[in-house]
Amino acid sequence: LAKTTQPISMDSYEGQEVNITCSHNNIATNDYITWYQQFPSQGPRFIIQGYKTKVTNEVASLFIPADRKSSTLSLPRVSLSDTAVYYCLVQMDSSYKLIFGSGTRLLVRP
Amino acid sequence: DGGITQSPKYLFRKEGQNVTLSCEQNLNHDAMYWYRQDPGQGLRLIYYSQIVNDFQKGDIAEGYSVSREKKESFPLTVTSAQKNPTAFYLCASSIPQGVVNTEAFFGQGTRLTVV
Repeated sequence: LAKTTQPISMDSYEGQEVNITCSHNNIATNDYITWYQQFPSQGPRFIIQGYKTKVTNEVASLFIPADRKSSTLSLPRVSLSDTAVYYCLVQMDSSYKLIFGSGTRLLVRP
Repeated sequence: DGGITQSPKYLFRKEGQNVTLSCEQNLNHDAMYWYRQDPGQGLRLIYYSQIVNDFQKGDIAEGYSVSREKKESFPLTVTSAQKNPTAFYLCASSIPQGVVNTEAFFGQGTRLTVV
C-alpha cells in the first residue's frame, strides 16, 4: 500500500484559499487518491477522490500532477467551520483495505 | 434513511471484561471496517471485511475479534487481552469494488472507557 505524508498542521484565516499537499511517492498505477474530513468526536466524511489531473466538486478541488506522486486538496475561501483534520488516502482499485495516516489539522482563524 | 449506526455512543468497561460494540448498515455495502482512534491521533485499522463470513486483520487486531454473519452487521468485541482499550472506535462501510468513487461512510463512533 502506498504510504502518504502530509503536514501535521496548518493555519489559515477566514476567506483564504487553503492548499494541503499529500506526498505518495510509491503510488501504483491502479491507485486512487481520496480525501476525507473529520471533525472532533465524529467519523470522517468523504470530500473528494481523483485519479489524475483535476477534480472539482461543490466543496473542494483536487489537483494531481502527471507523475501522481503527490496531490493537493484545495479549499476555496475557508470558514471557521472548515477547522478539522484532513486525511489523504491512496486506495488500490483492487483492494478494500483503507489505511488512514495521521492527517493534517487545519485551524481557520477569524 | 440509509446510513451506518454504531451503538452505544458511550461505553464503560471494567478491567478484565469483554465488551461488544455494535455496527449496523442499511446501505447494502459489501465492505465494512473497524478503526480505533486515540486522542490527537489518526485512525488505525483493526479489522475489515469484504464479504459475509470473511474478514481480515488490520494493523492492530490483537485483543479484538469480529464476526460478519450478516451483510448489514459487523460487531467488534474488545477482549480482556486488549491492554489499553480506552479509545474512540469508528465503524465504516463502503460500496463494492470495481466502482469508481469507493467512498467510505462512517458511523458516529463509540467512545469506550475502561474504569
